Amino acid sequence: AQTVTQSQPEMSVQEAETVTLSCTYDTSESNYYLFWYKQPPSRQMILVIRQEAYKQQNATENRFSVNFQKAAKSFSLKISDSQLGDTAMYFCAFMKQGGDDKIIFGKGTRLHILP
Amino acid sequence: DAGVTQSPTHLIKTRGQQVTLRCSPISGHKSVSWYQQVLGQGPQFIFQYYEKEERGRGNFPDRFSARQFPNYSSELNVNALLLGDSALYLCASSLAKWDIGQYFGPGTRLTVT
Repeated sequence: AQTVTQSQPEMSVQEAETVTLSCTYDTSESNYYLFWYKQPPSRQMILVIRQEAYKQQNATENRFSVNFQKAAKSFSLKISDSQLGDTAMYFCAFMKQGGDDKIIFGKGTRLHILP
Repeated sequence: DAGVTQSPTHLIKTRGQQVTLRCSPISGHKSVSWYQQVLGQGPQFIFQYYEKEERGRGNFPDRFSARQFPNYSSELNVNALLLGDSALYLCASSLAKWDIGQYFGPGTRLTVT
């Protein structure tokens, strides 16, 4: 069975700083996808970034980038130049390729961006 | 295009009652998945339907059931509600493997008293 672990329940950083959220996962699958989601108080689950396991290059979306270490089963999210609007719950998630499209989520990290 | 829509937004039910939650996928999307998110936790997979057939089921009791209609909309039914069923229920739709996980609805907040 696959598991996703986020070891930081809560973090706070000053606006404009860079912050890194940690995530580790456990799987015996070779082909899979990894995700980072943002869930603001509005509850809408927003996909921030997605990584295919077969791609060695780390995914990047504007101020958001990941550090994907497949051998270590680590998938951290870096937010550069953090903004007040980045305040939210962040979930790391895993989905194996093939079979049902079940996404397995971690417990989340609550991120506070301080003015 | 409209995103994934869910109704109702909020719902309050009493223990033992039954509830039906609805989800309309993005136009053209044939896959719908349901997730339960208890307060303070990450979402947990309940069901996936593709082309009106159940394709995946999470570790939930038989009190939970779902179906998908010819227009690809979906309903999630929960019978004999328990206090522990209080949660945010999320629906996600997708067109193909490459966009799975991209489109979530705003959720239905169910409170069981």
